[in-house]
Amino acid sequence: GQSLEQPSEVTAVEGAIVQINCTYQTSGFYGLSWYQQHDGGAPTFLSYNGLDGLEETGRFSSFLSRSDSYGYLLLQELQMKDSASYFCSSPNQAGTALIFGKGTTLSVSS
Amino acid sequence: GAGVSQSPSNKVTEKGKDVELRCDPISGHTALYWYRQSLGQGLEFLIYFQGNSAPDKSGLPSDRFSAERTGGSVSTLTIQRTQQEDSAVYLCASSLEAVGNQPQHFGDGTRLSIL
Repeated sequence: GQSLEQPSEVTAVEGAIVQINCTYQTSGFYGLSWYQQHDGGAPTFLSYNGLDGLEETGRFSSFLSRSDSYGYLLLQELQMKDSASYFCSSPNQAGTALIFGKGTTLSVSS
Repeated sequence: GAGVSQSPSNKVTEKGKDVELRCDPISGHTALYWYRQSLGQGLEFLIYFQGNSAPDKSGLPSDRFSAERTGGSVSTLTIQRTQQEDSAVYLCASSLEAVGNQPQHFGDGTRLSIL
């Protein structure tokens, strides 16, 4: 089977840096994606890692190590609006859908 | 439209009734997905459509759930004889092609409450 594990909650203050980890067990591997979801809103795509290394998109970066079955999302210069749930995900073995972790709730305080 | 559109946004119904949820994907997106999200949980895959290929129904939790996609565009998810455990947010997503490095674009979901 496939599963993705991530911490349930993370707290931080404005301006700080936070790292959200994700470990996965998959039958085959087709990359790791990250999605952000604000309360009551739709999940929105943040980043994708198909190969090892760091991908940077503005204040957000994502890292993947396939040998360790591990990735993380790094959020820098945190803002209040970054308070949301963050999900790591990976395609299922059939390549027909995404398997999601249970999400990490990030709370940013002033 | 600019994004994935789902209707209704909220649905409250009595146990045992049938419900139909609608999804209008982004124009030109060949892949369409339905997920279910229970309170405080991740997204659970239900069904996947890709072009004219047979759908992947492996995520449907019971035979009370069915879905169709007409003309390669709009999709409807039908739940028959609803049960209280069906209460959840039902999310639809579309992407240009099948998964992998293609981002999925989600609608705002239908919040279904079974009394």
